[in-house]
Amino acid sequence: KAGVTQTPRYLIKTRGQQVTLSCSPISGHRSVSWYQQTPGQGLQFLFEYFSETQRNKGNFPGRFSGRQFSNSRSEMNVSTLELGDSALYLCASSLEQGRNYGYTFGSGTRLTVV
Amino acid sequence: AQSVAQPEDQVNVAEGNPLTVKCTYSVSGNPYLFWYVQYPNRGLQFLLKYITGDNLVKGSYGFEAEFNKSQTSFHLKKPSALVSDSALYFCAVRGDGGQNFVFGPGTRLSVLP
Repeated sequence: KAGVTQTPRYLIKTRGQQVTLSCSPISGHRSVSWYQQTPGQGLQFLFEYFSETQRNKGNFPGRFSGRQFSNSRSEMNVSTLELGDSALYLCASSLEQGRNYGYTFGSGTRLTVV
Repeated sequence: AQSVAQPEDQVNVAEGNPLTVKCTYSVSGNPYLFWYVQYPNRGLQFLLKYITGDNLVKGSYGFEAEFNKSQTSFHLKKPSALVSDSALYFCAVRGDGGQNFVFGPGTRLSVLP
């Protein structure tokens, strides 16, 4: 079956713009999480959605937001982009929400802010 | 608060030799521990997890990990390294009340031919 699909793979944006990233989970998976990966900060949790509801949120400013649709697809949005937002954004999906469930990660969207 | 430490930024090992990538954790309650591997320009691939049961966990690609509760460690091991094992390895923990992963900083493994 298809894995976690993230689009686009690469993105270049200008400081001050906004961006929307998309994640399609594995079919049947209802939980979607987002992570930011940078060389300096490593992997940091952004938020998790389950059944269209945000269930958990990391320590990021309000410029970072997300949502989940009824088909479990998720989008994350970053407004007023800053240079420091340049990162690899990873989406992960799981069958259910819960710490004993394994998560499958997508290949990520590499965002470059210039 | 949950935390994960991977004390080595880089591990070098010769092909055919055993490898160990170290991980220690801090979490309230029972830990759920994971290892992931990342190849260049790719997402994270699941290797193995410890939820409960045997302290030695076997995973993908011949990797295994040993859970040691007294030392709060979860070291990743492989008896015979391959050049293709060269990648970035992440240890992660999920504890009581925490639904999200907390990742370690990663350890870059280089297997030399």
